[in-house]
Amino acid sequence: QKEVEQDPGPLSVPEGAIVSLNCTYSNSAFQYFMWYRQYSRKGPELLMYTYSSGNKEDGRFTAQVDKSSKYISLFIRDSQPSDSATYLCAMIKGNTPLVFGKGTRLSVIA
Amino acid sequence: ETGVTQTPRHLVMGMTNKKSLKCEQHLGHNAMYWYKQSAKKPLELMFVYNFKEQTENNSVPSRFSPECPNSSHLFLHLHTLQPEDSALYLCASIQYSGGGPRETQYFGPGTRLLVL
Repeated sequence: QKEVEQDPGPLSVPEGAIVSLNCTYSNSAFQYFMWYRQYSRKGPELLMYTYSSGNKEDGRFTAQVDKSSKYISLFIRDSQPSDSATYLCAMIKGNTPLVFGKGTRLSVIA
Repeated sequence: ETGVTQTPRHLVMGMTNKKSLKCEQHLGHNAMYWYKQSAKKPLELMFVYNFKEQTENNSVPSRFSPECPNSSHLFLHLHTLQPEDSALYLCASIQYSGGGPRETQYFGPGTRLLVL
């Protein structure tokens, strides 16, 4: 079983929809959780960074962590065509390198 | 701008060439990484440097040679590459403290490499 599982998609939604992106993980030692957005041919950019279980909101984005279920989510409200990108979840334990999911490709159709 | 810069942004090289990729971070971080990202494939961690010391080398062929002269700069020296080495090469940095990251990881924009 991989340490981090993420459905690669592709996921296609109409403009204005609520998007839900998810990752599951197997190692309860993971402490910090991130979501990155990567546009085609660009480096990943950090969207959200959370530590504890619960929700963290930033504009149209909400990150949710459920450590008991080993499940994290990213919600995008009022999705826009500019949100079309690959979304990578990542998590870290201690001082070791981040472990990334494979990324979910999202297309928001106008 | 994330505070991590990479040069060049694009590079085309022949299989017999020698070239170097450069990464610089302006964030005061103490760890830097090289990743490879091939088309439609996940990120592959190549090298890890903590406090200028290489702590991981994930079975990377010797035609890739990293160098970290100080905590702000990281190089990836390339020689006799193969066409399958064509990819986006990403640099990243992070600040670790005793029990985990004090600040999370930021990526540079990447160098898109084409080996002919």
